[in-house]
Amino acid sequence: GAGVSQSPSNKVTEKGKDVELRCDPISGHTALYWYRQSLGQGLEFLIYFQGNSAPDKSGLPSDRFSAERTGGSVSTLTIQRTQQEDSAVYLCASSSTEPLTYEQYFGPGTRLTVT
Amino acid sequence: GENVEQHPSTLSVQEGDSAVIKCTYSDSASNYFPWYKQELGKRPQLIIDIRSNVGEKKDQRIAVTLNKTAKHFSLHITETQPEDSAVYFCAASKRAAGNKLTFGGGTRVLVKP
Repeated sequence: GAGVSQSPSNKVTEKGKDVELRCDPISGHTALYWYRQSLGQGLEFLIYFQGNSAPDKSGLPSDRFSAERTGGSVSTLTIQRTQQEDSAVYLCASSSTEPLTYEQYFGPGTRLTVT
Repeated sequence: GENVEQHPSTLSVQEGDSAVIKCTYSDSASNYFPWYKQELGKRPQLIIDIRSNVGEKKDQRIAVTLNKTAKHFSLHITETQPEDSAVYFCAASKRAAGNKLTFGGGTRVLVKP
C-alpha cells in the first residue's frame, strides 16, 4: 500500500517568510509524528498527534512552529517568520495504534532551505 | 527527558568483517529500541527493533542486544557488504510518552570492498 508522503519535497524560502509543510500518513494510522534533521545531525522530535487527543508539542523549538492535523489524517507543520537555523529536513512518521505497533514509518521528508 | 548516546560516530570496516554500534539511554522507563538505516538522501528505514522484555533479537545478518540493567543496547552486523554502507541511528521510546523517539547522533558506516 501507499507509504507516508510529504510535500513539497524541497522548499526554498526567504528569511522572515512563513512556510507550510504537509504530511499524508499511512491510511488508518492514528499516530503521527514530526521530526527535524539538521545537516549532519540526528533526528529531533518536534510534535506528536494521537487520534483526537491534544498533541504533544514538547519538542517544538519556538512558538514560531505549530502543527495541526485535520480529520485525524493529513497534518500540516507551519513555521512562521522563518530563520536560517530552521533550514533542515523535516520528516513525518506514522504508526498504527489499532492494533498497537511500535514501528514508525517515515516519509521522504521536506528539505527546507531558508536564505 | 530521555537522552540517547551513540558510538562510534564513524565506522570503517572491511567487507566481510563485523560492525558493532553501541547506544546508551538514560530513562529506565524506555521500553522500545529501534534501529534505523538511512542512505544518503533517503528516508530512515527500520532494520530491527527490540522491546524491553527481550534481551536479544536476530534477523539474518543483523542482531540487536539489550541490557536493561546497564541501559545500553547494541547493533551487530555480520558479514558486512558494501550495501550496508549508510548512517545508522539508534532510538529509544516509551509507550507512556506516546512512543516518540529519542535518537542517538548516528553512526556513519563505510564498508570497504
